[in-house]
Amino acid sequence: SYVLTQPPSVSVAPGKTARITCGRNNIGSKSVHWYQQKPGQAPVLVIYYDSDRPSGIPERFSGSNSGNTATLTISRVEAGDEADYFCQVWDTSSDNPYVFGTGTKVTVL
Amino acid sequence: EVQLVESGGGLVQPGRSLRLSCAASGFSFDDFAMHWVRQAPGKGPEWVSGISWNSGRIDYVDSVKGRFTISRDNAKNSLYLQMNSLRAEDTALYYCARDGWKEYGRDPFDMWGQGTMVTVSS
Repeated sequence: SYVLTQPPSVSVAPGKTARITCGRNNIGSKSVHWYQQKPGQAPVLVIYYDSDRPSGIPERFSGSNSGNTATLTISRVEAGDEADYFCQVWDTSSDNPYVFGTGTKVTVL
Repeated sequence: EVQLVESGGGLVQPGRSLRLSCAASGFSFDDFAMHWVRQAPGKGPEWVSGISWNSGRIDYVDSVKGRFTISRDNAKNSLYLQMNSLRAEDTALYYCARDGWKEYGRDPFDMWGQGTMVTVSS
């Protein structure tokens, strides 16, 4: 089955940089979107089309996508960034055309 | 205020039906495709169904085909999901989500409601 693999958890100190990966063979040929989900809340789009940022999302959030890995980077991490993060692609070759990653829990130390 | 508000969830026995609703406000509802995305407890999101702006295109994940029906009423700014023959594995928080465009495909889900919980259990 189609799987977007993310690390289960990432821990980062305040002010440092967190990098969350999303892996799949040739994911660089797809458009990747990233969502942030805080406990008890709905997901929020933080990066779309690999590296674009919706209005209202801080510049600290950035994205890249090449080869077999897409990456969400959170610079100058703040306590409020603690959340689950999911990558997502659209691929009609999958059973479900909207594929979400396995999710990464970001913990701010 | 731009928002999506879901309703209609609840506890239901296996084999029974539920109808979910999503009320949209603060934007031109008929300018966007819409989706239902569900999330089982402790799991990641799973796309369930999508509908284009004019209902001309509709799709479902295989696991709900023949049981669920998505629809929209642009005059009422509302999205619906009729869920029949419910199963325990349908238990999840159901989100209404807006697509980035009139037709759906590679665009992201750029806006989500707060969700309505569906629990299927005897």
